[in-house]
Amino acid sequence: AQSVTQLGSHVSVSEGALVLLRCNYSSSVPPYLFWYVQYPNQGLQLLLKYTTGATLVKGINGFEAEFKKSETSFHLTKPSAHMSDAAEYFCAVSVNNFNKFYFGSGTKLNVKP
Amino acid sequence: EPEVTQTPSHQVTQMGQEVILRCVPISNHLYFYWYRQILGQKVEFLVSFYNNEISEKSEIFDDQFSVERPDGSNFTLKIRSTKLEDSAMYFCASSGVRDGETQYFGPGTRLLVL
Repeated sequence: AQSVTQLGSHVSVSEGALVLLRCNYSSSVPPYLFWYVQYPNQGLQLLLKYTTGATLVKGINGFEAEFKKSETSFHLTKPSAHMSDAAEYFCAVSVNNFNKFYFGSGTKLNVKP
Repeated sequence: EPEVTQTPSHQVTQMGQEVILRCVPISNHLYFYWYRQILGQKVEFLVSFYNNEISEKSEIFDDQFSVERPDGSNFTLKIRSTKLEDSAMYFCASSGVRDGETQYFGPGTRLLVL
C-alpha cells in the first residue's frame, strides 16, 4: 500500500526566502510522485511530477522537487518565495498509469511581506 | 489549455436527498476519477472509471454512490440518499493516454448536507 506524509500543515516564510515543503512517501513499488497546488476556491493544479529518469524535476512557477529513494522523500523547494505562492500544496503518490492517487494532508504556505 | 470543469460549484441539500455532481473531463481523456476532501482531512480516492465501467472503488464508495457517463462528455457522481458525513469537496479528475500517470483535476463541488 502507498501513503504520503507531509510534515507541517502550515508553513510561513518571508517574501524572497527559501520555500521548503516536506513530503515523505511509503510505497512497495517504484512510485510516481506529484505536487499539486490549490489556490483559494480553485482546483488542484499540477506543479510537477516524477515518474522515471532525472531525480530533480522542475515545475511551474519556479518550483522544483528532488526524488530521494534512500530517504523516501520528494520535498518541494523554491529559492525565493513570492506573495503569489501563498496557497495549499499537496503531495501525492501513485504506482501505475491510471492508478488512484494517495494524497498527503496538505501544507498551507503563507508568504509574509 | 483544456481543463476539467465541474458543476455546480456549491450545493446545499437536505439529508436523505439525492444529489448529482457533474463533471466534464478533458475531451480526449478516457479515464475518470472522483475524489473527496472532508474539511480538514486528506483528499481521498472514491472511484475510477474506464470504458463505461468502474475500474476500482474505495470502501467509501458504497451502494449510496454511483457513477455514470451518460453521454460523450459528462461524467457524474450520484449520491442517492445523502448523509451529514457526505459534506465535503468533491473533485473530478481525468487522465489520457499521452501521460497516463497524471490526473488533471477540476475545481471541485462543495457539498453541504444539512
